[in-house]
Amino acid sequence: DGGITQSPKYLFRKEGQNVTLSCEQNLNHDAMYWYRQDPGQGLRLIYYSQIVNDFQKGDIAEGYSVSREKKESFPLTVTSAQKNPTAFYLCASRDREDEKLFFGSGTQLSVL
Amino acid sequence: GQNIDQPTEMTATEGAIVQINCTYQTSGFNGLFWYQQHAGEAPTFLSYNVLDGLEEKGRFSSFLSRSKGYSYLLLKELQMKDSASYLCAASLLTGGGNKLTFGTGTQLKVEL
Repeated sequence: DGGITQSPKYLFRKEGQNVTLSCEQNLNHDAMYWYRQDPGQGLRLIYYSQIVNDFQKGDIAEGYSVSREKKESFPLTVTSAQKNPTAFYLCASRDREDEKLFFGSGTQLSVL
Repeated sequence: GQNIDQPTEMTATEGAIVQINCTYQTSGFNGLFWYQQHAGEAPTFLSYNVLDGLEEKGRFSSFLSRSKGYSYLLLKELQMKDSASYLCAASLLTGGGNKLTFGTGTQLKVEL
């Protein structure tokens, strides 16, 4: 079955530590996105990529980094510079012929 | 800047009809999405409006007025399982490609 896989489902970060959230899709989609969701809030765009080896900052990119070395993979690193990383992180992808976003099941990141 | 507004909470009765409104002020507007999200889960696609007018899909309908910057989602014959957050999102054309900007979501509670 085609889809978007995010791992892990739950992740804990210690102070000063970088952590990487995985996002893999086998839908052959060109565009991929990372969103952050805080309790009771909507989704805020962190980074997005329209094509391999290219990505753009979203509205809240500070303290995060991404790479897009392969079409199917778009990992997100939450760096120690992100002072309030606790949130639900959602990865999404989109086909260039379709406006609709397909979402992964999310990763809940918490700080120890 | 981009601004999308929707009510924070709504309550309705099982079997009734509810309308969730969304207003937006954006540049590069390309279309309007509605997503449904249950707690701790990924958003799921409900509708996409590009042109003005009403689009009906089973118990759910969505309306768009581009000149007024206004959309609504209409849910008929409400069921308990419709209790969820409903996210309004504007598709925007930017120099870096398409991106979706989300409102904060409307938490709908369906009661007996």
